Amino acid sequence: AQKVTQAQTEISVVEKEDVTLDCVYETRDTTYYLFWYKQPPSGELVFLIRRNSFDEQNEISGRYSWNFQKSTSSFNFTITASQVVDSAVYFCALSRNAGGTSYGKLTFGQGTILTVHP
Amino acid sequence: EPEVTQTPSHQVTQMGQEVILRCVPISNHLYFYWYRQILGQKVEFLVSFYNNEISEKSEIFDDQFSVERPDGSNFTLKIRSTKLEDSAMYFCASMWDWSYEQYFGPGTRLTVT
Repeated sequence: AQKVTQAQTEISVVEKEDVTLDCVYETRDTTYYLFWYKQPPSGELVFLIRRNSFDEQNEISGRYSWNFQKSTSSFNFTITASQVVDSAVYFCALSRNAGGTSYGKLTFGQGTILTVHP
Repeated sequence: EPEVTQTPSHQVTQMGQEVILRCVPISNHLYFYWYRQILGQKVEFLVSFYNNEISEKSEIFDDQFSVERPDGSNFTLKIRSTKLEDSAMYFCASMWDWSYEQYFGPGTRLTVT
């Protein structure tokens, strides 16, 4: 069975601080995909990143960066110089990479509520 | 940019009533999903649909639930006899290929009274 754990329920920071959201996953698969989604107060789910388990390179996109460490089964997300608009719930998710035996089902973590104060 | 749409945005229904939640996935996508999110909780997988049939379903997706793709564009979730615990946000998602990301619709908030 697959499992995603986001141990931080809520994080509160002041604008311009850096913040890291933790994600730890469990899977028996050797290949899989990891995702981060953002859920702003309006409620929709916004895709942020997809990472194949083959690719352990860290990724940076503007103020966002992701640290994938297969050895510790973690896929952490860092926001640099946070802004009020970053306030949202952030979900880490996992899917199998098994082609015909899996159809992309996402297993989500509990989410981390990030509040950025001005 | 193409997007997944869902209607209605909010539906209120009485316990025991049937509801149909509608989704229009992105037009060239092949995989379709329903998820639900009870208020304040995580997003949970309900069902995936591919090649005009259910490919996977969760334990939540019991006989009260059904899905259809009636006309090649719409994708619907039916709950036959709603219960109070069905109150949640229901998200539809679609994906072009299983190795890509899922695009989510804005959700339908279902309130069962």
